[in-house]
Amino acid sequence: EVQLVQSGAEVKWPGESLRISCKGSGYTFSQYWIGWVRQMPGKGLEWMGIIYPSDSGTRYNPSFKGQVTISADKSINTAYLQWTNLKASDTALYYCARLRGRLDSWGQGTLVTVSS
Amino acid sequence: DIQMTQSPSSLSASVGDRVTITCQASQDIGKLLNWFQQKPGKAPKLLIYDASNLETGVPSRFSGSGSGTDFTFTISGLQPEDIATYYCQQYDNLLQFTFGPGTKVEI
Repeated sequence: EVQLVQSGAEVKWPGESLRISCKGSGYTFSQYWIGWVRQMPGKGLEWMGIIYPSDSGTRYNPSFKGQVTISADKSINTAYLQWTNLKASDTALYYCARLRGRLDSWGQGTLVTVSS
Repeated sequence: DIQMTQSPSSLSASVGDRVTITCQASQDIGKLLNWFQQKPGKAPKLLIYDASNLETGVPSRFSGSGSGTDFTFTISGLQPEDIATYYCQQYDNLLQFTFGPGTKVEI
């Protein structure tokens, strides 16, 4: 069974750094792109970017490029989403999803709260 | 950038009703259009891919059609468990994805 398991909820101060994770199992992790999606409170889905774990090739939504970093460690079947300077506006639920022609499997989501 | 619009933004229907949601792309996207269901507090779930293909395990009351810029998603016989927000989503060969704004379905 394909599973994407994300790291737990985080509460951070503005200006802090954060890395959240998405661990895949039940399939050959390195051979499928993993994407990240943001959902701000009460809002819709926003595409952030995607990574190919085999070679760490990435594609970013221009709206998020430079704001976050997407990375992966294929040796431990894990993808990451990272911030270096969190803002209150980064408060959201973040999902990872596997691309197999379509976004067919999703993680459970990681809630990130940034508040002073 | 390709923009996606959906209508209506919300709707209320009765159990057993036929529900139709439309999605329009700002340019021709062929059939590169997927539909997702998101229930409160849950991750999105893929229902339809490539405009009209039913994802494995998804009930047959869900269907999709269209190509180019105009797409339709239909629930044939609304069930209580179908209460959710539905999103269309397009993608291109540069792996840029865009979601529609969503349609909230209520009973």
